[in-house]
Amino acid sequence: GESVGLHLPTLSVQEGDNSIINCAYSNSASDYFIWYKQESGKGPQFIIDIRSNMDKRQGQRVTVLLNKTVKHLSLQIAATQPGDSAVYFCPSSGSARQLTFGSGTQLTVLP
Amino acid sequence: SQTIHQWPATLVQPVGSPLSLECTVEGTSNPNLYWYRQAAGRGLQLLFYSVGIGQISSEVPQNLSASRPQDRQFILSSKKLLLSDSGFYLCAWTTGGNYGYTFGSGTRLTVV
Repeated sequence: GESVGLHLPTLSVQEGDNSIINCAYSNSASDYFIWYKQESGKGPQFIIDIRSNMDKRQGQRVTVLLNKTVKHLSLQIAATQPGDSAVYFCPSSGSARQLTFGSGTQLTVLP
Repeated sequence: SQTIHQWPATLVQPVGSPLSLECTVEGTSNPNLYWYRQAAGRGLQLLFYSVGIGQISSEVPQNLSASRPQDRQFILSSKKLLLSDSGFYLCAWTTGGNYGYTFGSGTRLTVV
């Protein structure tokens, strides 16, 4: 998963452009991956998930890509909108379904 | 449908005072329950999780404690708050076999 405890990396994109947020994970036994979005002052919200037997999964304007060879996960947001401005997390999972959230990526959509 | 309730939304407490935050889940049975804390500009830190009534696992040693007196109730407590306990506290739940957490709306705690 992400580094834990570090300050947020940031990504700024123009409104209407596509956004790509990347995440590396360390546990090669992980079989399920989730992306969360957290808007300011709110709890994180589930965006999309993917199982390790898949390489790609698409939702509404979002696509998650999984590369198990290099243990890399990415979230692509098409036609980024101001409402997409938030912190995005890709937590790692534990044996009791506990999720470890790193510092996340702060996405800022520029007008 | 399942819902999660967390209160209060904001709380200002003096150093040394006690704390009790409550979280309840509706519409499901035997959920896994979690307490997280988030400092400003940081990620979420897992504090406690529970897979059943009376079962509490602590992730971070500190002056906080958690209890689960009922199946769908999770309580975070402290006997004496420290300044470093300030933060955004989030409760979450999921069902067994599912990693998809649902988070509550959070409690913003400021210790003064």
